[in-house]
Amino acid sequence: ETGVTQTPRHLVMGMTNKKSLKCEQHLGHNAMYWYKQSAKKPLELMFVYNFKEQTENNSVPSRFSPECPNSSHLFLHLHTLQPEDSALYLCASSQGTLGRAGNQPQHFGDGTRLSIL
Amino acid sequence: ELKVEQNPLFLSMQEGKNYTIYCNYSTTSDRLYWYRQDPGKSLESLFVLLSNGAVKQEGRLMASLDTKARLSTLHITAAVHDLSATYFCAVERRETSGSRLTFGEGTQLTVNP
Repeated sequence: ETGVTQTPRHLVMGMTNKKSLKCEQHLGHNAMYWYKQSAKKPLELMFVYNFKEQTENNSVPSRFSPECPNSSHLFLHLHTLQPEDSALYLCASSQGTLGRAGNQPQHFGDGTRLSIL
Repeated sequence: ELKVEQNPLFLSMQEGKNYTIYCNYSTTSDRLYWYRQDPGKSLESLFVLLSNGAVKQEGRLMASLDTKARLSTLHITAAVHDLSATYFCAVERRETSGSRLTFGEGTQLTVNP
């Protein structure tokens, strides 16, 4: 039990579909993150939310649309994705955004393995 | 732009042996993290290194940080099979837009019986 739960664990979708990834954290954290992990590439930060406010959008294409209704839930809405978007999408949370969290690292979920046909 | 390089990217070692994974980064940083990832699993935090000369140990793993050399090491002592995983270092920098983590590519460690 990591304290950060992501659903679904696996998702296969066509390029014209619309789907959403969900992340829920049970740790009482106030910052949440989306990362993309592609094969043979470092983790890439996509979005940062602090107290439900988006504080960073790392030049992510508009076909990815995040939503953070409260500090415990984070969504990533997907539409008209491309084959190169196939990857593992990881959600993380922390107590405060980086730099204000003291010694606390980010806690990661197990990820959603996304495959675009 | 901050770049984080790990080496080696792949490491196969025998049980009982020692080895070191290196993490170099290109600009000044505020913190450095080491994470472990098992196949199909999430990233597990191992160490947070806050300042120059910091050294932390947990079991057979020891991490150190040299901010002047922009280098962190993860040393494995008397490896056991359970340590097989992918290890990531991540460097934190505070920027005007906030802080961010930049990850290395990861070192895939296989410990053979």
